[in-house]
Amino acid sequence: GNSVTQMEGPVTLSEEAFLTINCTYTATGYPSLFWYVQYPGEGLQLLLKATKADDKGSNKGFEATYRKETTSFHLEKGSVQVSDSAVYFCALMRSSGNTGKLIFGQGTTLQVKP
Amino acid sequence: NAGVTQTPKFQVLKTGQSMTLQCAQDMNHEYMSWYRQDPGMGLRLIHYSVGAGITDQGEVPNGYNVSRSTTEDFPLRLLSAAPSQTSVYFCASSYLQGAYEQYFGPGTRLTVT
Repeated sequence: GNSVTQMEGPVTLSEEAFLTINCTYTATGYPSLFWYVQYPGEGLQLLLKATKADDKGSNKGFEATYRKETTSFHLEKGSVQVSDSAVYFCALMRSSGNTGKLIFGQGTTLQVKP
Repeated sequence: NAGVTQTPKFQVLKTGQSMTLQCAQDMNHEYMSWYRQDPGMGLRLIHYSVGAGITDQGEVPNGYNVSRSTTEDFPLRLLSAAPSQTSVYFCASSYLQGAYEQYFGPGTRLTVT
């Protein structure tokens, strides 16, 4: 079946450090891949997406590249800020059937200290 | 635009009680869905709707009912609450089924004792 696996958290970094949050997936066909972010007390927001192999999604300094050969979609940011502290979810949506169903990883908590 | 709104923010129920979690969106989105979020498990789809009058089951539908009488509203009903339903519930909507961006509400934190 389809599934998403993220690295365990929490991830604790100092401000301006480099961030990587690993995400790998299992899926049939060619899913679309997403990173959602959940700030404290809020719902999830779409951070970035990639809809086909080798696509790079980017937003607010975050990037992730759709790697079909390694079934990965790792999230990176060159210099994190305290305001980036949040829970990050990797997710996929199947390409076939057009269900709209998102399959989420378990989430990774990021804490950035000044 | 208010986006996706959910009420209540917090709720405590006793086992066996029933209640309805409200969800509304003002973006004229056709697709709406309910997820539950549990520690270490990400979000799991409970029910979804592709338009008024049409609903379907997601991954974990047992113990929950939904209806979609208008485009704007998509309430989630717990028929007889159980401690296993203690969770944070999120409603989401998107323009169409399969649209890439889904908009999430702020969530309802439910505790069943």
